Amino acid sequence: DTAVSQTPKYLVTQMGNDKSIKCEQNLGHDTMYWYKQDSKKFLKIMFSYNNKELIINETVPNRFSPKSPDKAHLNLHINSLELGDSAVYFCASSQDGWRPGTPEKLFFGSGTQLSVL
Amino acid sequence: DQQVKQNSPSLSVQEGRISILNCDYTNSMFDYFLWYKKYPAEGPTFLISISSIKDKNEDGRFTVFLNKSAKHLSLHIVPSQPGDSAVYFCAASDGYALNFGKGTSLLVTP
Repeated sequence: DTAVSQTPKYLVTQMGNDKSIKCEQNLGHDTMYWYKQDSKKFLKIMFSYNNKELIINETVPNRFSPKSPDKAHLNLHINSLELGDSAVYFCASSQDGWRPGTPEKLFFGSGTQLSVL
Repeated sequence: DQQVKQNSPSLSVQEGRISILNCDYTNSMFDYFLWYKKYPAEGPTFLISISSIKDKNEDGRFTVFLNKSAKHLSLHIVPSQPGDSAVYFCAASDGYALNFGKGTSLLVTP
């Protein structure tokens, strides 16, 4: 009964490939996020969607394209993978996280460790 | 530019003692602060939060203190237990996004 689930847990692939990471939340939350934890352990926001609408789009290469088919799902597609894309990618959701001044209590998935060889 | 800083990458504390984890921030627009706890191979989980209008929030063994003038917050765990061993992330919100620190790895030894 995982609240935020993402697949796969591990992803090993070659440079230049295209890959997707899927995320689903069963909490009924309106907002979903993708965060990246790089080798220096910083957790940085990449994207945020509220009710299938893109709210936050940080400075991320356009090789990264989020897709939200419905408010319970936010998938991340990555084209032409590069070595520097190796990281742990976390999906998260929150109830009222996108409105200004609203506390951002996030529920995270367990992460997808992406290794680009 | 890292707006949330946790300058201690690791901390070791004996069971039963107090653990104090520190966090500094640079952006005065941050108005809500949170601590997350992370075990290996799991996502971060929410632990405790504090609004900028308060200077202290307590939840069981966990207390967060906020010093706005110093742009500093700290998490106190009393008494520390071996199960508290994890990485603790400080996060700050400006209503737009959560900004995380690098985390502090806490080890509580028996």
